[in-house]
Amino acid sequence: DAGVIQSPRHEVTEMGQEVTLRCKPISGHDYLFWYRQTMMRGLELLIYFNNNVPIDDSGMPEDRFSAKMPNASFSTLKIQPSEPRDSAVYFCASSPRGGAVGHNSTDTQYFGPGTRLTVL
Amino acid sequence: KNQVEQSPQSLIILEGKNCTLQCNYTVSPFSNLRWYKQDTGRGPVSLTIMTFSENTKSNGRYTATLDADTKQSSLHITASQLSDSASYICVVSTNQAGTALIFGKGTTLSVSS
Repeated sequence: DAGVIQSPRHEVTEMGQEVTLRCKPISGHDYLFWYRQTMMRGLELLIYFNNNVPIDDSGMPEDRFSAKMPNASFSTLKIQPSEPRDSAVYFCASSPRGGAVGHNSTDTQYFGPGTRLTVL
Repeated sequence: KNQVEQSPQSLIILEGKNCTLQCNYTVSPFSNLRWYKQDTGRGPVSLTIMTFSENTKSNGRYTATLDADTKQSSLHITASQLSDSASYICVVSTNQAGTALIFGKGTTLSVSS
């Protein structure tokens, strides 16, 4: 398996533009997670899905952020309009059975390589 | 407030030496604690996972300990190698809805020859 695939790897855009980040989870994994990482705040969980259904989006910072998972093999994180403070590395991760989110699970999460977003 | 604090923020050691990284948490209710290794420019990779009843877990030269009473964990690296240079992140999971994963900000380890 190729692991979690994210695209693009790097994105540079101007303030106000729409940004769409893409993720393909590992086949057969039921859970998908979106994270944001910055130097100031470290890693933050934004949202996660179970069987394509959003379970917890309490980490999504604002209405400018939205995430979808139309099928088991694809998810998007969209920022519209983007702002300079959105500059960060965005990671997608997947796990077979939950990766310990809200459960007594010791399941492992597998992270993608990340998308480095720069908003000018 | 649920928090995870890691120390030191950064550490430099010589190749072959041992080191210990610390993680203190105030998360409640506690579900489990994980240590991740993150190489520069890459996603985190899971090293160890410990539940409430476990107090030690090893993965090669990495050994994690957990004291659920004092809410402290440590990650011990034995006979360090250059490839151990990375950021190490402690993550605590809670069953509390809306705050399922609480992340520390990581310790940056540099191993020099």
